Amino acid sequence: KNEVEQSPQNLTAQEGEFITINCSYSVGISALHWLQQHPGGGIVSLFMLSSGKKKHGRLIATINIQEKHSSLHITASHPRDSAVYICAVQGGGADGLTFGKGTHLIIQP
Amino acid sequence: DTGVSQDPRHKITKRGQNVTFRCDPISEHNRLYWYRQTLGQGPEFLTYFQNEAQLEKSRLLSDRFSAERPKGSFSTLEIQRTEQGDSAMYLCASSLVGGGGAFFGQGTRLTVV
Repeated sequence: KNEVEQSPQNLTAQEGEFITINCSYSVGISALHWLQQHPGGGIVSLFMLSSGKKKHGRLIATINIQEKHSSLHITASHPRDSAVYICAVQGGGADGLTFGKGTHLIIQP
Repeated sequence: DTGVSQDPRHKITKRGQNVTFRCDPISEHNRLYWYRQTLGQGPEFLTYFQNEAQLEKSRLLSDRFSAERPKGSFSTLEIQRTEQGDSAMYLCASSLVGGGGAFFGQGTRLTVV
């Protein structure tokens, strides 16, 4: 069973700061997902990646397969980025996802 | 098709009652997943379908839980004799075999009183 650890669990920052959220997992995977969950809302998939780096607007996700580690970065953070960010990994074959517990991000104006 | 939809969004039920949730995946997606998320925790995998076949069930899915995907399209998740511990957000996701991201529905929030 894959163990997924996220850090930090909680993060409060000022508007405009550069944000980094980390995710480590214990067993090799076929893909890693970064998800965003707003309070009371559903989950939005931000990225799925299996190698390298992806960028979408102010969001950047990187993964290092050898080190079993991924990071999600937010540049020029904004209060609307406040949400829970969840890392989820997908094993080989037809496995479901294994989720981290999430990072609760608050961006203050 | 604008994405994965779940119905209802919220359900309050008395302990001991049965409840059924529905998930409509993205139409061409052949994989469908159910997850449960309790307060302050990440989602936990419950079960997974490829087309109409239920290929994997978590040990979290007790005998009171049953899921179906009869025609390989929408899926239902039924909980019989609900307990207070069943209170959670139930999430559905769909994807394509062979790649692509998992797309999530908005979830059904169940409260058992």
